[in-house]
Amino acid sequence: AQTVTQSQPEMSVQEAETVTLSCTYDTSESDYYLFWYKQPPSRQMILVIRQEAYKQQNATENRFSVNFQKAAKSFSLKISDSQLGDAAMYFCAYADSNYQLIWGAGTKLIIKP
Amino acid sequence: DGGITQSPKYLFRKEGQNVTLSCEQNLNHDAMYWYRQDPGQGLRLIYYSQIVNDFQKGDIAEGYSVSREKKESFPLTVTSAQKNPTAFYLCASSISALGLGGQPQHFGDGTRLSIL
Repeated sequence: AQTVTQSQPEMSVQEAETVTLSCTYDTSESDYYLFWYKQPPSRQMILVIRQEAYKQQNATENRFSVNFQKAAKSFSLKISDSQLGDAAMYFCAYADSNYQLIWGAGTKLIIKP
Repeated sequence: DGGITQSPKYLFRKEGQNVTLSCEQNLNHDAMYWYRQDPGQGLRLIYYSQIVNDFQKGDIAEGYSVSREKKESFPLTVTSAQKNPTAFYLCASSISALGLGGQPQHFGDGTRLSIL
């Protein structure tokens, strides 16, 4: 069965600095999708970034980028120029060919002003 | 604006009572989902529906029931059989479920259910 592991329950970063959140997953499939979602204190789940496994190029959305290492089954999220509004829970999720999302336990990101 | 509306925001359940959580979407999405979120855990899938009048059990369906009579609506009933219902419930939708893997899910604001 597929699993998603986020080994950092909590991370903190100084405002304007860069932080990397880690995510590893386990699967035997070759075709799948990976996501990072953000859940601010308002509790709404917001899509941050999406990566297709068949694409070697790492996805980027403004200050957010991923480091996708397919062989290592690693999918880390890098946030550049951290802002106070980035403070949230960040969840990594995996979707297989049946598009059932498997979620990690989340990483709480604290931004220090 | 298109989106997903969950109501109520807060809900309290008495012992032996069934309660229903509402989820409505105007995104014209085929697929809808219900998740349960507990502190320190990721989301767990309760039920999902790919099309009207069809739905499938997720990982933790026991004690819950759903219906999908309209494309826009996917209500979740928490029955008295669910012995530990206190949690945050999130509803989501996506363009499609099967065959188009990778379609992102869009979420509502959630409903917090507590036991009286």
